[in-house]
Amino acid sequence: NAGVMQNPRHLVRRRGQEARLRCSPMKGHSHVYWYRQLPEEGLKFMVYLQKENIIDESGMPKERFSAEFPKEGPSILRIQQVVRGDSAAYFCASSRQGMAGELFFGEGSRLTVL
Amino acid sequence: DQQVKQNSPSLSVQEGRISILNCDYTNSMFDYFLWYKKYPAEGPTFLISISSIKDKNEDGRFTVFLNKSAKHLSLHIVPSQPGDSAVYFCAARNSNSGYALNFGKGTSLLVTP
Repeated sequence: NAGVMQNPRHLVRRRGQEARLRCSPMKGHSHVYWYRQLPEEGLKFMVYLQKENIIDESGMPKERFSAEFPKEGPSILRIQQVVRGDSAAYFCASSRQGMAGELFFGEGSRLTVL
Repeated sequence: DQQVKQNSPSLSVQEGRISILNCDYTNSMFDYFLWYKKYPAEGPTFLISISSIKDKNEDGRFTVFLNKSAKHLSLHIVPSQPGDSAVYFCAARNSNSGYALNFGKGTSLLVTP
């Protein structure tokens, strides 16, 4: 579990700014998933990526949100022009294989929009 | 729409007794179910899973039961320990449709000494 590294752990942004959240998967894992947890809610799937490819982005909001997983470096979830409703915990998970079975989650990045 | 429902936000159990956490789902196409455990300020940790071809899976103190006709699963923890106090999330997926795990809202379990 501790192998998935997310940073920053906490991020504060003002409305209209950009937020960038980074995720390094566990060693040997090439599949990355992003989930969002709003207060008092369960985790909601956002996007599934492999190296250099977005495989499933059915849970991503159509505007302002984007994700990438470059050949080198961590996966990045980018939120442009943040609004208060974006305040949430964003969890990254990784797996060795493609199906979302036993995902290994990071500790999350908590975004607060003022 | 919430396809996975955990109707009990919280549960309190005495140490040594059985904890039973319940989960209902609405999508009959779900074929794989998982339980995750989450401590505050940490990410969820995988606990146990079950395929729809089974009705029971056991791992140490943890057993998951699946009732497909009722679209219901439960997690039993016996005996409960104070260290089990955490939020438990039920999750489900349809292997033929995308990669998303659908999570419930969680049940907060408190095991008292």
